[in-house]
Amino acid sequence: AQKITQTQPGMFVQEKEAVTLDCTYDTSDQSYGLFWYKQPSSGEMIFLIYQGSYDEQNATEGRYSLNFQKARKSANLVISASQLGDSAMYFCAMREGINNQGGKLIFGQGTELSVKP
Amino acid sequence: EAQVTQNPRYLITVTGKKLTVTCSQNMNHEYMSWYRQDPGLGLRQIYYSMNVEVTDKGDVPEGYKVSRKEKRNFPLILESPSPNQTSLYFCASSSGLLAYGYTFGSGTRLTVV
Repeated sequence: AQKITQTQPGMFVQEKEAVTLDCTYDTSDQSYGLFWYKQPSSGEMIFLIYQGSYDEQNATEGRYSLNFQKARKSANLVISASQLGDSAMYFCAMREGINNQGGKLIFGQGTELSVKP
Repeated sequence: EAQVTQNPRYLITVTGKKLTVTCSQNMNHEYMSWYRQDPGLGLRQIYYSMNVEVTDKGDVPEGYKVSRKEKRNFPLILESPSPNQTSLYFCASSSGLLAYGYTFGSGTRLTVV
């Protein structure tokens, strides 16, 4: 069954340091996409980064990078040089294909990141 | 600006009073979904639509209705809201390509008393 697991309910990081948020997934599909979303206290869901199952290189978007280890089925988010504005809930999500309920996103339980000054 | 517009942002209503949460996207996306977010349960899909007049149930459809008469709009209807539908609701849209996640609306925080 498709599943996303985020084992860190909460994390603390010092401002300007790097932090890794863990995500493992389970799927029997060969073709899938992995996403990270940020949810600040205001509630909106903000797309951060995408990794395709066939992508050979790890995705990067500014201070965000995705450490993709396909054999381990892990897709960890790395935030470099943390900022106070990075304090938020972070969700890992997977999308398999359009045939699966219109390509729905399957979400993990989230990790709450707190950045300390 | 490409966006998904959801209204209202906040809503407090009473049990049994019909309500509609509107959702509109300006990206010409075929796929639209509604999710609800609850503590401890994460985000779950309520309904989805793959194009105009094509809708289907997600994982938690009970107590909800949707319609897709135009490509840009995908309203969520609660015919007779109950307290267990108190939640944070998100509308989201996507192109058909796997590489695209969903663009989310700002959310609707619904309280049913």
